[in-house]
Amino acid sequence: DIVMTQSPDSLAVSLGERATINCKSSQSVLYGSNNKKYLAWYQQKPGQPPKLLIYWTSIRESGVPDRFSGSGSETDFTLTISSLQAEDVAVYYCQQYYNTPWTFGQGTKVEIK
Amino acid sequence: QVQLVQSGAEVKKPGASVKVSCKASGYTFTRYSMHWARQAPGQRLEWMGWINAGNGDTKYSQKFQGRVSFTRDTSASTAYMELSRLRSEDTAVYYCARDSYSLGMDVWGQGTTVTVSS
Repeated sequence: DIVMTQSPDSLAVSLGERATINCKSSQSVLYGSNNKKYLAWYQQKPGQPPKLLIYWTSIRESGVPDRFSGSGSETDFTLTISSLQAEDVAVYYCQQYYNTPWTFGQGTKVEIK
Repeated sequence: QVQLVQSGAEVKKPGASVKVSCKASGYTFTRYSMHWARQAPGQRLEWMGWINAGNGDTKYSQKFQGRVSFTRDTSASTAYMELSRLRSEDTAVYYCARDSYSLGMDVWGQGTTVTVSS
């Protein structure tokens, strides 16, 4: 199984400041035939299901604010919130869908400082 | 709008089975696969597998193989997840989520809490 490891486990950021979350996969999630990295990011607020933010490492899902951005190599990925808003308080998960079983990171809790 | 609505909370005894439903609306049910995932208290999300809602083909995580079954009723646009031989470690919120053609899981149900307790 591909192991996904996020860092940090939690972070506190002032409103309007940048938040950066890292995710590392135990093996490459690059699909050679289409050169896509099968890595997604989800946001989960308390009592709610996860919400897809980003797929293929860097493509924002429709309706997701452009302060959210994703980047990464074959095994190291980053989710950046460029200017943290109060509504961004949540737990963020990375997930690989390169092969089964699909696996998630342990989550990073983002709070307001 | 596209929506997945799951059945209500369940309390089961160890050794019993549970069946969770997931009713889809707002899209053509048979054109998308449906994933199932769970989240135990304080734990990360855990993918259980998927069912092709069109032809009924299934793929199960090896962790749950032999204990889980995914089915669907196309006339009711509803997917089902049945987990048998329940144990306390199966206490979790269970989610269905639509597969978005290699883009991840783009629509999620609200979750169904399953509690396993003697």
